[in-house]
Amino acid sequence: QSALTQPASVSGSPGQSITISCTGTSSDVGGYNHVSWYQQYPGKAPKLMIYDVTNRPSGVSNRFSGSKSGNTASLTISGLQAEDEADYYCSSYTSISSLVFGGGTKLTVL
Amino acid sequence: QVQLQESGPGLVKPSQTLSLTCTVSGGSISSGDYYWSWIRQPPGKGLEWIGYIYHSGSTYYNPSLKSRVTISVDTSKNQFSLMLTSMTAADTAVYFCARDAGGYNLHDYWGQGTLVTVSS
Repeated sequence: QSALTQPASVSGSPGQSITISCTGTSSDVGGYNHVSWYQQYPGKAPKLMIYDVTNRPSGVSNRFSGSKSGNTASLTISGLQAEDEADYYCSSYTSISSLVFGGGTKLTVL
Repeated sequence: QVQLQESGPGLVKPSQTLSLTCTVSGGSISSGDYYWSWIRQPPGKGLEWIGYIYHSGSTYYNPSLKSRVTISVDTSKNQFSLMLTSMTAADTAVYFCARDAGGYNLHDYWGQGTLVTVSS
């Protein structure tokens, strides 16, 4: 299975909105509504931010939202804050009962 | 509050087998519809799912690692374990254990991770 495709980096100014894309295939992202997004700070474990494409776990800010169209899922962060600067990973369930991650996107808050 | 803690050697020689254990506290590994995952991250690189196990013992592995991986569970100790054979430098990584609620990619609790270096 191939890793999902994410941009290596994105950036935005405080208060702006940014979107991170995650492209897979019909065997993963396009075939299932089991796409998750994780936030990771350096030296820390990832934190679940979005699951099942659009759902936020309790305690996650509503500034984070997810969507999907075809084989591409997206994470949008609105009202960008300095604390949002981190690495973000998408992940999907696949047709062979496995999970696959994206390569990760480094978000820089300017 | 569920907590997970990885344990095992920080250094493994090439060609040897890695054995890691994840101890779960704050909840029973046997209760609920949870799968117990191993995920790794080479230094400076992205996350890679290794595989997971259900408390019944059913296992699912990353196809690219399947020939070298075994994940097992010990419900009496509330632990699950990873064995990875024929280690090479490419297996040097931080290894995380995590809980997947439902087995559909919802990792809601993670261990802190443990760095495993492969070197002679």
